[in-house]
Amino acid sequence: QQPVQSPQAVILREGEDAVINCSSSKALYSVHWYRQKHGEAPIFLMILLKGGEQKGHDKISASFNEKKQQSSLYLTASQLSYSGTYFCGTEIRAQGAQKLVFGQGTRLTINP
Amino acid sequence: DVKVTQSSRYLVKRTGEKVFLECVQDMDHENMFWYRQDPGLGLRLIYFSYDVKMKEKGDIPEGYSVSREKKERFSLILESASTNQTSMYLCASSLLGPYGYTFGSGTRLTVV
Repeated sequence: QQPVQSPQAVILREGEDAVINCSSSKALYSVHWYRQKHGEAPIFLMILLKGGEQKGHDKISASFNEKKQQSSLYLTASQLSYSGTYFCGTEIRAQGAQKLVFGQGTRLTINP
Repeated sequence: DVKVTQSSRYLVKRTGEKVFLECVQDMDHENMFWYRQDPGLGLRLIYFSYDVKMKEKGDIPEGYSVSREKKERFSLILESASTNQTSMYLCASSLLGPYGYTFGSGTRLTVV
């Protein structure tokens, strides 16, 4: 029931754009996106709720298509600081409680 | 800022030992989670709790148990450590509802 992320790895030059996809086989209540730098804790980026909304801040945005059970993360005009591993987390309701199931991660490398 | 503190950054234990990993959060969050992170597998949910003394199995609970006697503290217990439990363990917490998770810095456990 782990969501599938694609691609597994991306290498970009500074200023280029990237799209990371997250696909689930289960009905979703929400999708979270996190970024983790090497040796650090994952940091929460944003959450998308049912309703097909699109959210974003700065040059990082995301969309959520609940019918297709997919979400995409968009990084525009990438900066060196965007490097890291990105995880999507899909919320599943189980035993009356909410839990997140994470994808395997997408490693993003931004070169100058 | 919400802080999630894990008691040890690095831990080395012997096979068969009982191991306790402690996690404390300081923002009155209802939800607490234990994940393990392994290369190529992302973050996998071991156990979670949405209230004091409540616990729910995640996707890989075998060989683990948990304890939540106080709202701010969530302990992960390895009943009899084995080498296949060598991993990075991440604790997280969140408010009930559609909110992001805050992760601790992780405990890298090596079982020899």
